Amino acid sequence: SAVISQKPSRDICQRGTSLTIQCQVDSQVTMMFWYRQQPGQSLTLIATANQGSEATYESGFVIDKFPISRPNLTFSTLTVSNMSPEDSSIYLCSVRTGAVGYTFGSGTRLTVV
Amino acid sequence: GDSVTQMEGPVTLSEEAFLTINCTYTATGYPSLFWYVQYPGEGLQLLLKATKADDKGSNKGFEATYRKETTSFHLEKGSVQVSDSAVYFCALSRGQGGSEKLVFGKGTKLTVNP
Repeated sequence: SAVISQKPSRDICQRGTSLTIQCQVDSQVTMMFWYRQQPGQSLTLIATANQGSEATYESGFVIDKFPISRPNLTFSTLTVSNMSPEDSSIYLCSVRTGAVGYTFGSGTRLTVV
Repeated sequence: GDSVTQMEGPVTLSEEAFLTINCTYTATGYPSLFWYVQYPGEGLQLLLKATKADDKGSNKGFEATYRKETTSFHLEKGSVQVSDSAVYFCALSRGQGGSEKLVFGKGTKLTVNP
């Protein structure tokens, strides 16, 4: 299965700033997924990123707040913009591997102060 | 829309006890079903999966059977260990031809005491 390198693993940021999270996959994948896991909660899909097209955002998430880049088939970034304490979460990227199955990055634990 | 309802925890067991975590789903068509595990401070790992009715997924002593008639995918283990302490997530995907995304349950925190 694919191996995902996600960074940073954690960060503490000031409110009003932005953080860019990177995911590098060791193989070419068509779709990459970005999830948010708020404290003590389940995972919620933010958006699906396809190479060469605009990301598709889920209800409640907008491009201005969570811009995504997908410059090639092995890399993607998610930016959390104009952060507030409510953005404190774990952010995870994921790719589909094989006919069925998904692999996740190790996550970015973000704290906004 | 698609949804997953998972037994809420936390669940606390003694070592060697029997574990069941209930999971039911709502989805159109024939989704694939998954259990993911999140150990403290780590990301998600796939524990097991099943892609069609009556399939049984198994891994590390854990099992779950895809029951179409009851729309369920309950996780079981006959004898838990302290190292099984983690949060367990049930999830579904309708895969190719449908939505690719995973839909997760709320997670069940399991603590196993020695």
